[in-house]
Amino acid sequence: KAGVTQTPRYLIKTRGQQVTLSCSPISGHRSVSWYQQTPGQGLQFLFEYFSETQRNKGNFPGRFSGRQFSNSRSEMNVSTLELGDSALYLCASRLRQGMYQETQYFGPGTRLLVL
Amino acid sequence: GQQLNQSPQSMFIQEGEDVSMNCTSSSIFNTWLWYKQEPGEGPVLLIALYKAGELTSNGRLTAQFGITRKDSFLNISASIPSDVGIYFCAGEQGAQKLVFGQGTRLTINP
Repeated sequence: KAGVTQTPRYLIKTRGQQVTLSCSPISGHRSVSWYQQTPGQGLQFLFEYFSETQRNKGNFPGRFSGRQFSNSRSEMNVSTLELGDSALYLCASRLRQGMYQETQYFGPGTRLLVL
Repeated sequence: GQQLNQSPQSMFIQEGEDVSMNCTSSSIFNTWLWYKQEPGEGPVLLIALYKAGELTSNGRLTAQFGITRKDSFLNISASIPSDVGIYFCAGEQGAQKLVFGQGTRLTINP
């Protein structure tokens, strides 16, 4: 079974631009979570989607948004990019929501550089 | 944001040595997870722990879910060069989000 895929793998943008990242979960998985990883802050939870609904959100500004489609694929958007948004953005999928005997599997990430 | 206290931050060991790292928190978690991350890749799940007191092994790796549900440790026995990487603990409170430790960077001298 294929793992979590993320596109693009690398991205360079300039301040003020906006960016959209894509995540395809493991086949059959319906829950998708997004995380930001930086050297200073480590891994931080952004938000989680299940059945096209955002179920949980971390402490990030409104410039960070996301959505999930009916096929469980998810996109994350960051508007008005700032230098501090440079990071590795990770997507993780799980089969169901609320099942404590499952866990999240991560994709390879999209490395975003904001100049 | 909230993070777990993971230690040590880095380790420099000889090949063949055993490794031990741990995570603590002031909060209770329902699940403890241990991940390994290599450069340019996402974290890869090593061990998942679901019950307080649970001790689980995966090859040379052993992890335990603390009785208080506020801590966990990971041991690696007889380290080999491919064990190099950054190890993260993660705790799950609700079903949706993980809280991560700062990571332990493992370096092995052959």
